[in-house]
Amino acid sequence: QVKLVQSGAEVKKPGASVILSCKASGFTFTTYYMHWVRQAPGQGLEWMGSISPKGDVRNYQQTLQDRFSMTKDSSTRTLYMELRGLRSEDTAVYYCVKDGNDFNFDYWGQGTLVAVSS
Amino acid sequence: QSALTQPASVSGSPGQSITISCTGTSRDIGTYNYVSWHQHHPGKAPKLILYKVNNRPSGVPSRFSGSKSGNTASLTISRLLPEDEADFYCSSFTTTTGTWVFGGGTKLTVL
Repeated sequence: QVKLVQSGAEVKKPGASVILSCKASGFTFTTYYMHWVRQAPGQGLEWMGSISPKGDVRNYQQTLQDRFSMTKDSSTRTLYMELRGLRSEDTAVYYCVKDGNDFNFDYWGQGTLVAVSS
Repeated sequence: QSALTQPASVSGSPGQSITISCTGTSRDIGTYNYVSWHQHHPGKAPKLILYKVNNRPSGVPSRFSGSKSGNTASLTISRLLPEDEADFYCSSFTTTTGTWVFGGGTKLTVL
C-alpha cells in the first residue's frame, strides 16, 4: 500500500532554513507528481508547490517563490523540501502529498511540525 | 492566488443532510472541473473524499457527493453520521500554470 513517511519535528530560529524529507513506498515514484501542503495553527491548508515525476518541472506558490524549493531523489524514493529565511508565520504542520494523476491529492504523509521561534 | 471561500462552520443532526459551499473565481473553479474535497480529522492526515467535482475514490461512501455551478462548488453529505464530524477543505487547480488553491476549511459539527 502507499506510504509516505515524513521526517521528524523541527524547531528553528527566525532566519534559519529547514529541510524536510518524505520517503515514499507502495507506488512507482517516477510516475506521479508530488506536492507539499502546510497548515499553520488554526488555519486552513495551503498548497506550497509540486514537482513532476522526473523532477524536471517545479511549480511553487507565488508567495513562496524566493524561499521555497523542492527536489526528489528517485534512487531512494525520497521527496525533499527546503524553506529558507524562516519566519514565525512559517510555523505549521507540513504534509507531503502524492498526486493521483487525475488532478487530485490522493495520499498524504503523517505531517511534520516545524516551529519557528526565537 | 487567494484562498477559496468556505463557510467557517456548519452543523447537522445524525441522519440529516448538509451542504458546504466553496466559492472561487474564473481563475480556478470557474475554469476547471478539477475541484476536490478533503476530510480532515485533527491530528490525522487529510483524506480525499471527492475529486473532479463528483468522483469518489474507492471506499468513500455514496453519502458524499459534489456539484459545481459557475465559480462555486458544493459538497453534500447525506445521512450524517457522528464520525463525519471533521474539517472539510475544497481545492481547485488554477489558471496560474500548474498551481493549486485550497479553501479556508469548514468545521462540520454533528450535533
